[in-house]
Formats: sequence, C-alpha cells, structure tokens
Amino acid sequence: NAGVTQTPKFRILKIGQSMTLQCAQDMNHNYMYWYRQDPGMGLKLIYYSVGAGITDKGEVPNGYNVSRSTTEDFPLRLELAAPSQTSVYFCASSYRSDTEAFFGQGTRLTVV
Amino acid sequence: RKEVEQDPGPFNVPEGATVAFNCTYSNSASQSFFWYRQDCRKEPKLLMSVYSSGNEDGRFTAQLNRASQYISLLIRDSKLSDSATYLCVVTNSGYSTLTFGKGTMLLVSP
Repeated sequence: NAGVTQTPKFRILKIGQSMTLQCAQDMNHNYMYWYRQDPGMGLKLIYYSVGAGITDKGEVPNGYNVSRSTTEDFPLRLELAAPSQTSVYFCASSYRSDTEAFFGQGTRLTVV
Repeated sequence: RKEVEQDPGPFNVPEGATVAFNCTYSNSASQSFFWYRQDCRKEPKLLMSVYSSGNEDGRFTAQLNRASQYISLLIRDSKLSDSATYLCVVTNSGYSTLTFGKGTMLLVSP
C-alpha cells in the first residue's frame, strides 16, 4: 500500500537552479494536488489536476509548472528557484474533490 | 474575510479535558467539510468528515451549522497523543479543490 509517494524528501537548491518534485499515486485517483506549507501557515494550493492531460492553477502558481501525462504521476517543476520558494511541498490525491485526500510525506525544500 | 478561518492556538489542556475547536467558512455554497490532523513536520491525515446531522467517532464529535457557516470539533477525554494541529477543510460546489484553514494547535499535557 504505497499510497502517494513523493521524492525527494529533502533538497537544498541554489538561487536560479531548477528541479522537479516527483509525485506518484497508486490508488487510481483522478484528482491530484500540489500544496506548499510555510512555517506556521496553512496549506496553499499551487496546482491541481482532475485527470490525465488536465491541469489548472491554484492560489499560488507563479514560479511553478506541472504536467499530468498519466493518471499516476503529477510532477511539479520549479524554474529559477528563489528563496521565497523555501517551503514544505505536499502532493495529494483523491477519488473526487469531495472525498478524502491522501497526502505524500512531503518534500522539504530550501533555496539558498 | 478569509475562505476558512479557525480559532488561533495553541490550546493547552490537561489530559482528560474536553476541548472544542471552531471553524468558519465564507462560501455559502460549500458542500463538503472535513477535519484533518497534522502532526509536527508530517503530512495531514483525515480525522473525520463532517455531516449535516453531526457525527461522532469515539471521543471526537463534529458538527456543522450551515446557517451560521461554521464547523466544530469536540474532543472529549483528551489524550497526550491528541497533541497535533487540527485543520478545517472545505470543498466548494463547482471547484475541484480542498481549501484548508491555517489549523489550530492542541497541546495536551500530563
């Protein structure tokens, strides 16, 4: 029962570098989400997808890109990393928008 | 007004105490409501869904008041293991996303 798997768990980036955060789920969920959580703050939606080939912006999409070529995978791309992107990133999936969302363990990203 | 607002924390209570959290939401068209629990530096996990008629799961009781647009969570007989941040979550008709409150931290002490 893998659920939602995120890689890497930790990463330190230099300003201006790029990276891809990986997210995979094995529950055949249509809905997938990327959130970021800053210290002491709530989760903010970056991007979401309601199915393969369909993505849409959330509350804080600037500086990020996503793709959804398969039901299982929903990678998040950071281009030109900035210190403001230092955060914990959570990927989640759900069967529908009104059902339980399952989260990955998170990726702790520091941009220096 | 923020979409989902929760009581500011932290709540410090002794073991065995009863504690209640409130959450208000701004969109009257909101349809689904949840409480999630998040342990320190971990991912959120579903604690319970909130149904219109109210629902109970062991020591936890959730209630929904649509007229006043608030949700509550009552924890009875608090345990040390209940120490965590409790997140109020709402989904809205026509949207495909979950909106999270900032969370209320609960600290249960011996």
